[in-house]
Amino acid sequence: DAGITQSPRHKVTETGTPVTLRCHQTENHRYMYWYRQDPGHGLRLIHYSYGVKDTDKGEVSDGYSVSRSKTEDFLLTLESATSSQTSVYFCAISEPTRGGRNTEAFFGQGTRLTVV
Amino acid sequence: AQKVTQAQTEISVVEKEDVTLDCVYETRDTTYYLFWYKQPPSGELVFLIRRNSFDEQNEISGRYSWNFQKSTSSFNFTITASQVVDSAVYFCALSPNDYKLSFGAGTTVTVRA
Repeated sequence: DAGITQSPRHKVTETGTPVTLRCHQTENHRYMYWYRQDPGHGLRLIHYSYGVKDTDKGEVSDGYSVSRSKTEDFLLTLESATSSQTSVYFCAISEPTRGGRNTEAFFGQGTRLTVV
Repeated sequence: AQKVTQAQTEISVVEKEDVTLDCVYETRDTTYYLFWYKQPPSGELVFLIRRNSFDEQNEISGRYSWNFQKSTSSFNFTITASQVVDSAVYFCALSPNDYKLSFGAGTTVTVRA
């Protein structure tokens, strides 16, 4: 199994509070991603990183920010949590081949976040 | 923009029946990659297969097989002789050569004993 650890695994927070989710990898993969999973939508990309301090937005980035100060850590922050951000959050990692070809992404166990 | 459509929301079969999951994709890129993932009731996402756009060979792995047809932009997945352990949500995903995945909404497969 790919070495990906998400923390916390479960969190309940109040509307308006900041929340930070952590993803830690031991695989030295260049790419890291944050997805959210909601019924009927599959997984949707929030933000991703293609290197230390290199990040970009995904399709549902509003209300979220990320940081990557080290290869192994990718943080997702909800600046002011809202009920619409209640979801399951997955971190993923991938490493292109030497020829730059895409490879599969490996996923963490997920974080269930409830905003009340 | 990339788009993946899994038109089947739920499929229920009896054990030992075959089940085929449909996946239709849209992309303007000429180079892209297709994936299938499995999410069992425990919640983790398990990688099943990756296929690139210039390799249209079908693939079989045990009871699993995949049919990639570029002409119809489809990448269908068949489970032969289904088992209860195959009960899961299955996701099809698409990635152009920018390493980001676009997922379909998923198909929930229930295999009854």
